[in-house]
Amino acid sequence: EVQLVESGGGLVKPGRSLRLSCVVSGFTVSSAWMHWVRQAPGKGLEWVGRMKRKSNGGTTDFATFVKGRFTISRDDSQNTLYLQMNSLTPEDTAVYYCVADYGWGQGTLVTVSS
Amino acid sequence: QSALTQPRSVSGSPGQSVIISCTGTSSDVGGYNYVSWHQQHPGKAPKLLIFDVNKRPSGIPDRFSGSKSGSTASLTISGLRTDDEADYYCSSHAGSYAVFGGGTTLTVL
Repeated sequence: EVQLVESGGGLVKPGRSLRLSCVVSGFTVSSAWMHWVRQAPGKGLEWVGRMKRKSNGGTTDFATFVKGRFTISRDDSQNTLYLQMNSLTPEDTAVYYCVADYGWGQGTLVTVSS
Repeated sequence: QSALTQPRSVSGSPGQSVIISCTGTSSDVGGYNYVSWHQQHPGKAPKLLIFDVNKRPSGIPDRFSGSKSGSTASLTISGLRTDDEADYYCSSHAGSYAVFGGGTTLTVL
């Protein structure tokens, strides 16, 4: 059974950092195109960034609003995807989802507030 | 990175069929066969319904089908049920990024 389980969300002050994790089971994270998608309260879905599968180079791409603040990495031994978020602003407040062509995680809430 | 265009809302009666459109450009929907559709019930995580334009993950009933013509993708839901009432989002590969539609609220009358 495919499962994606995010963790690491919480309340953080503006300008601080946070690292989200996505533990995957049912497929190998290195074999899939993995995405992070967010949803601000009451809003629609917004693509954040992705890591291509290993056979496609494993490179990352990001939405323009990220502006170099976020990075995506992967630990193949743990079958886990990460989203490192730096210089957070209140506009980054959202539920963050880990997504693959196999499905979605349940999301983790990030709240950026002083 | 402009969002794909979806109707804000659609409606139908139980047993009927509805079609939700998703319009992009030749740089996204029209340029790749990598359109996905996602269903989201209030307060829940989205659920993947369709990927690669018309493929269903295991467990998704064949009442849900996807298609594409030019730069417009469509999701057809046949045999509407009350529990189909939800928000529906399309997404597309767009070269160096991906993009979502603004979402469509389906009301089952």
